[in-house]
Amino acid sequence: EAGVAQSPRYKIIEKRQSVAFWCNPISGHATLYWYQQILGQGPKLLIQFQNNGVVDDSQLPKDRFSAERLKGVDSTLKIQPAKLEDSAVYLCASSLVIGGTDTQYFGPGTRLTVL
Amino acid sequence: GDSVTQMEGPVTLSEEAFLTINCTYTATGYPSLFWYVQYPGEGLQLLLKATKADDKGSNKGFEATYRKETTSFHLEKGSVQVSDSAVYFCALSSFEAAGNKLTFGGGTRVLVKP
Repeated sequence: EAGVAQSPRYKIIEKRQSVAFWCNPISGHATLYWYQQILGQGPKLLIQFQNNGVVDDSQLPKDRFSAERLKGVDSTLKIQPAKLEDSAVYLCASSLVIGGTDTQYFGPGTRLTVL
Repeated sequence: GDSVTQMEGPVTLSEEAFLTINCTYTATGYPSLFWYVQYPGEGLQLLLKATKADDKGSNKGFEATYRKETTSFHLEKGSVQVSDSAVYFCALSSFEAAGNKLTFGGGTRVLVKP
């Protein structure tokens, strides 16, 4: 079974530029998550989708971050404009259903460096 | 809100030593508890989980027991190998939370020397 795919793996941009990350979840997984992992910290949830609807985006900085999940499969996370503090690894995860015990499977992440 | 606290690293051990990583949590309701591992250059992988009090999760020689009375989920392994060098994250998922959000601890880096 193929895992969660993410691209690109690495991205370096100047502050105030825009950037987009792509995620393809495990086939059949209804729920998709984007996490931000700052160096030396645990991942923090940015947004959660159930199919193509948003379940939780309370931690998403909506003035600069946006995300979509068209057709309930792939997802794109965008930052515009980027700030220095956005330097982090952006992790995508998916799970089969929504529920407290359901396992989330993580992709390899995209490492973003903002200069 | 929900929170997870785990011991800071790095933890440096010799091969075949005993490993313990402490994890305590604060949550409303009855959370599920997880240990994830991140090997160098790789994504997070689920190591083990426990869904109710007194459950023991185990995998690859690692064990952790869900202790509701002490709100803890300490990770243990009796004899570590060099290949166990990684960052370990304790996490919880609360039934009360919107959706299935995982709340992570800060991670503990483990280095096993031959």
